[in-house]
Amino acid sequence: QITLKESGPTLVKPTQTLTLTCTFSGFSLSTSGVGVGWIRQPPGKALEWLALIYWNDDKRYSPSLKSRLTITKDTSKNQVVLTMTNMDPVDTATYYCAHSPYTLAFAFDIWGQGTMVTVSS
Amino acid sequence: DIQLTQSPSFLSASVGDRVTITCRASQGISSYLAWYQQKPGKAPKLLIYAASTLQSGVPSRFSGSGSGTEFTLTISSLQPEDFATYYCQQLNSYPPLTFGGGTKVEIK
Repeated sequence: QITLKESGPTLVKPTQTLTLTCTFSGFSLSTSGVGVGWIRQPPGKALEWLALIYWNDDKRYSPSLKSRLTITKDTSKNQVVLTMTNMDPVDTATYYCAHSPYTLAFAFDIWGQGTMVTVSS
Repeated sequence: DIQLTQSPSFLSASVGDRVTITCRASQGISSYLAWYQQKPGKAPKLLIYAASTLQSGVPSRFSGSGSGTEFTLTISSLQPEDFATYYCQQLNSYPPLTFGGGTKVEIK
């Protein structure tokens, strides 16, 4: 059974750096054809894809946020970490991580519960 | 970037109704489209991938069709648990992996 869970601060100040950790079980990010992505959703708004990391350490970022994002993986800990610099109130959102397998054309089949991050001074 | 336009953005329907949601891509994406269902306060749930393949465990009243630039999600007989917001997502050309703006299905 695949599970993912996001963790990190619930409140960050403007200009600070946000670090979110996705801890997963039931799969290995060293297995060929597997990816983990990050998606966010501001309150009452649509989903926005942020970044994705693959088993081979290939990384993809949203072009509009690329300069602020870094995604890394720690295969031994079964974790994926997303950092976002220079946080702004418009970055207030629920942040999700999700499993993305090649077998499903890299659609996000299993999602974490999400973690709400508020950016405010 | 590939833009996805969902229509309608809001839909009011009754239990038992047949419901169709459309997702149009700004350029061709072959069949690299997924549909998700999201209920308030919950994470999205994958319903369909590769435009028409039903994800394991998803009721057969859900179906997807289309290729290229026009796609549809159909619920053959709306059930009370289907009232939710639905999103399409393209996986053909990225970054970015684009989501549509969502379609909220509410009870009439």
